[in-house]
Parts: sequence; structure tokens; C-alpha cells
Amino acid sequence: AQSVTQLGSHVSVSEGALVLLRCNYSSSVPPYLFWYVQYPNQGLQLLLKYTSAATLVKGINGFEAEFKKSETSFHLTKPSAHMSDAAEYFCAVSFTGGGNKLTFGTGTQLKVEL
Amino acid sequence: EAGVTQFPSHSVIEKGQTVTLRCDPISGHDNLYWYRRVMGKEIKFLLHFVKESKQDESGMPNNRFLAERTGGTYSTLKVQPAELEDSGVYFCASSQSTGAGNTIYFGEGSWLTVV
Repeated sequence: AQSVTQLGSHVSVSEGALVLLRCNYSSSVPPYLFWYVQYPNQGLQLLLKYTSAATLVKGINGFEAEFKKSETSFHLTKPSAHMSDAAEYFCAVSFTGGGNKLTFGTGTQLKVEL
Repeated sequence: EAGVTQFPSHSVIEKGQTVTLRCDPISGHDNLYWYRRVMGKEIKFLLHFVKESKQDESGMPNNRFLAERTGGTYSTLKVQPAELEDSGVYFCASSQSTGAGNTIYFGEGSWLTVV
């Protein structure tokens, strides 16, 4: 069965600091991986996705993620945090044959401090 | 282009009552999904429609939940009778294609509180 683990339910960084949100997956078949973000009082918005092309995926708002098969990871990074990045971030996985059904991690709440 | 829209955005009902949530997918999207996030837990898949047909309803928790998509356009999710543990956020989503890896677009969610 496919699963996703997000380490750290809450992450706090200073404005301008590196953002690193961790995601590890478990899948017996090649996965498709996604990062979604939920800003306060809004819906889920796709940040980026990995679909077996380039392992380094660039998304919106300066975020990127690298697929590392050997580590079964898909960590999300941003070089310099901005106050507007404060939100909850979700890693998700789907796989061929799974009907495009997403399995989500438990989410990481990012707090950005001055 | 309008995104996925959900109604109501918030609902507070008493245990035992009925609530119906509505979702309008992005125009032209044949695939419609319902997900749910119960407080403190992860977002979980409920079911998937392709047009008006239920492709996968493996995530529906029990027979108090009924989803329909008559005509293959908008969908409703009815909870009858509601229980306290049904409280949470119900997300609707849609996609153009069925295959894994296709982008799924989510609505803002319907927040349900059962008291």
C-alpha cells in the first residue's frame, strides 16, 4: 500500500531563512508525487508535482522539490522564506493503476517569523 | 475560468440531522472527487466519479454517506443522519483526465460541524 509521511507537524523559520519541509513515501510502484498548500481560509492549491520527468521540480512561489528514489523522499524547499508562505503544506502520492486517487500526508504547518 | 466551487462553505447541524454538500467541478472536467479531513487527521479520499458513474467509492466510511452526480455535472454528498465524528472539512476536487499524475484541482472545502 502507498503511504506518505511528513516529518514535523509544525515548522517555524525566520523570514529570509531556508524552508525545508520533509516528505517520505512508500510505494511498491513508481509514484507520482505532489505538494499542495492551503493558505488560511482557502482551498488546496497545487504547488508542484513529480511525474517521472526531471527529478528536480520547480513550482510556484519559488518552491521546488527533488525526487530521490534511493531515499524515497520528495522534500520541499524554498531558499528564502517570506511571511506570505505561512500556510499548511501537504505531500501526496498517487500511482498508475490507482485511478488518480491521492494519498495525503498529515500536513506541516509552516510558521514564518520576523 | 471558474475553479471548483463548493456550497455551503460552513455548516453547523445537530447530531441526527441531514446535511447536503454541493460541488460544481471545473467546466469540462469529467472526473470529480470527494475528500475529507477530520480534525487532526490527514486528508482522506472518499470517492471518485467519472461523469455520472462511481469509479471508486472505497473511501466512503459507511452507508450514512450518499454521493450523487446526476447528469455528470455537479455532485452532492449527503450525510444522513449526521454523527459527531462526521465533523471536518469536505473537499471536492476535479480533473480533466483519469490517469495518475494528472493535476487534481481542489475547492475551498465545506466545513461541517456536528453538535
